[in-house]
Amino acid sequence: GDSVTQMEGPVTLSEEAFLTINCTYTATGYPSLFWYVQYPGEGLQLLLKATKADDKGSNKGFEATYRKETTSFHLEKGSVQVSDSAVYFCALSSLNTNAGKSTFGDGTTLTVKP
Amino acid sequence: SAVISQKPSRDICQRGTSLTIQCQVDSQVTMMFWYRQQPGQSLTLIATANQGSEATYESGFVIDKFPISRPNLTFSTLTVSNMSPEDSSIYLCSVRIGGIHEQYFGPGTRLTVT
Repeated sequence: GDSVTQMEGPVTLSEEAFLTINCTYTATGYPSLFWYVQYPGEGLQLLLKATKADDKGSNKGFEATYRKETTSFHLEKGSVQVSDSAVYFCALSSLNTNAGKSTFGDGTTLTVKP
Repeated sequence: SAVISQKPSRDICQRGTSLTIQCQVDSQVTMMFWYRQQPGQSLTLIATANQGSEATYESGFVIDKFPISRPNLTFSTLTVSNMSPEDSSIYLCSVRIGGIHEQYFGPGTRLTVT
C-alpha cells in the first residue's frame, strides 16, 4: 500500500537558518503530494502541494519539488523564522486508489530559536 | 477551500461516559474524515463518512465505539462511547472537496478522560 516516510524530529534551528525536511513516498499510480503544517493548538492546514512530476509547490517561502525518479518531496526554506515553529506533515493522495484517502507521514516538529 | 468548525473545542469527561463531537463545514462536501491524534504523534484515520452511506471504519475502530452520523453534506458527528483514559486524544474532522486532492481540517477537539 501507499506510505510516506519523513525525516524524524525534532528539528531545532536558529532564526534565519536553512531548513530541509526530507520526505519520500511509496505509491501506486501517480499521487498528488502535499505538505501540511500544524501550529500549536490548531488543526492541520495545507502549506503547499504538487500534482505531477517536476511540479514545484511553494508558499510562505517554503518550497518542495515532486521528484518521481527519487520518489521524494523534500520541504525547504531558505531562512526560517520563529513563527515557523510547528509540526510539518508530508502526505500523498490519489483519487483513484486507496478509496481517495490521504496517507500521512509521522510529522516532523520544528522549533526555531531566536 | 473550506472552513470547518468543531464543537466542543475541548472537554474533560469521566470514564464510562460518551461525548459527541460536531463538525460543521461552510460548503457542501462529499468526503468527510475523522482522525485521532495522540499528543506528539501523527494522524490515525478512524473512519470515512460519505453522505448517504454508512461510515467506513479503519482497522481497529468499530461502530459501537465510534458511531458516526452524516445527515447532510455540511455536517457530521463522531461519538466516543464508553470512554476510557486511552481515548484521551485530539479528534480532527477533515473534508475533501470534489475532485480536489487536498484536505481541509477543523481545529480539533481535545478530549481528556479521567
